[in-house]
Amino acid sequence: DVKVTQSSRYLVKRTGEKVFLECVQDMDHENMFWYRQDPGLGLRLIYFSYDVKMKEKGDIPEGYSVSREKKERFSLILESASTNQTSMYLCASSLLRGTNEKLFFGSGTQLSVL
Amino acid sequence: GDSVTQMEGPVTLSEEAFLTINCTYTATGYPSLFWYVQYPGEGLQLLLKATKADDKGSNKGFEATYRKETTSFHLEKGSVQVSDSAVYFCALLSGGSYIPTFGRGTSLIVHP
Repeated sequence: DVKVTQSSRYLVKRTGEKVFLECVQDMDHENMFWYRQDPGLGLRLIYFSYDVKMKEKGDIPEGYSVSREKKERFSLILESASTNQTSMYLCASSLLRGTNEKLFFGSGTQLSVL
Repeated sequence: GDSVTQMEGPVTLSEEAFLTINCTYTATGYPSLFWYVQYPGEGLQLLLKATKADDKGSNKGFEATYRKETTSFHLEKGSVQVSDSAVYFCALLSGGSYIPTFGRGTSLIVHP
């Protein structure tokens, strides 16, 4: 069964800490995405990557960075966590450019910044 | 730019009731259309999709028809179950793109 695995289900961090959220997919997908999900706001795209070492900003990249050193792994980095980054973070992957390729999602990481 | 508008929730129904969740979209060209479902404590998963006008996607008793003339892709189910309680997201993918546009999601609560 295909999988997108996020390293932590729940995470509690303090303001100012550097936070790493890890995501691994086993489907050899080229595209990987990081979203945050907040009540009433739906899904908002933070960053995406279409190849190793390639990254592009999504709709809300401020306060975040990403790393993709290997095809299967896409990391989201909060350089200095703030309370407004408390949210559910979802990683997803898909095959390369196509008009009907679905996304495969991980189970999410609920991050609380205190 | 592309956009997806869904009816606001929560939608609350009794078991075996008929379900409709409205979805309309704005896009250039001829996008593919999707419904994703998110069960409690899980990520999103694809429920159904349609890739061209008049196509009907179906899965697990849910259906949606790609209506180009009304730019809609409403989700329907004839008889909902408690296990259908989840958040449903409508999404589109424009031609040549691999970044989908999502609606804000509609929460469905089904009571026994």
